[in-house]
Amino acid sequence: DAGVTQSPTHLIKTRGQQVTLRCSPISGHKSVSWYQQVLGQGPQFIFQYYEKEERGRGNFPDRFSARQFPNYSSELNVNALLLGDSALYLCASSYNWGGGPDEQFFGPGTRLTVL
Amino acid sequence: AQSVSQHNHHVILSEAASLELGCNYSYGGTVNLFWYVQYPGQHLQLLLKYFSGDPLVKGIKGFEAEFIKSKFSFNLRKPSVQWSDTAEYFCAVNYQANNDMRFGAGTRLTVKP
Repeated sequence: DAGVTQSPTHLIKTRGQQVTLRCSPISGHKSVSWYQQVLGQGPQFIFQYYEKEERGRGNFPDRFSARQFPNYSSELNVNALLLGDSALYLCASSYNWGGGPDEQFFGPGTRLTVL
Repeated sequence: AQSVSQHNHHVILSEAASLELGCNYSYGGTVNLFWYVQYPGQHLQLLLKYFSGDPLVKGIKGFEAEFIKSKFSFNLRKPSVQWSDTAEYFCAVNYQANNDMRFGAGTRLTVKP
């Protein structure tokens, strides 16, 4: 079975631009979460979606937004990019996080560099 | 604020040594606890998890962790490490009240053959 896939693998943008990152969960998984991992730190929670609804949000500015599609894939959008947005963006999927915890499976991440 | 602390940034051990990695979290009501591992060049993967019940949980590859509620701790242990355990280890806490998932900064483990 295919694991969580993310695209693109790497991305270079300049300050002020907008970026869209994509994630396809494991087949059958209904929940997708997004994390930002800065070098030397642990992942920081950005969003969690379950059944196309936002179920959790971390402490990130409104420049960050996400959505989940009927096929459970997800996009993370970041507007007005700042240098500090440079990081590895991780997507994780799980079968069920609607009413409780579940194991998350992580993708390889998208490396975003903002110049 | 909800937070997770991993006190050891880098641990170096010889093969067959015992391992204990510390993880403490701030109070925030009911929590679910996880340890994830990232081997060089690979994705994050789950080592073990605690949701409820027996506070001593066993995971893959001989790892175990003990949840001590009074100390807000969830330390990871392995009686005898192998060279293949060289990796970065992350403690993570899901705060059920607001469904916030917090990771620690990670501990890099190097096992010398």
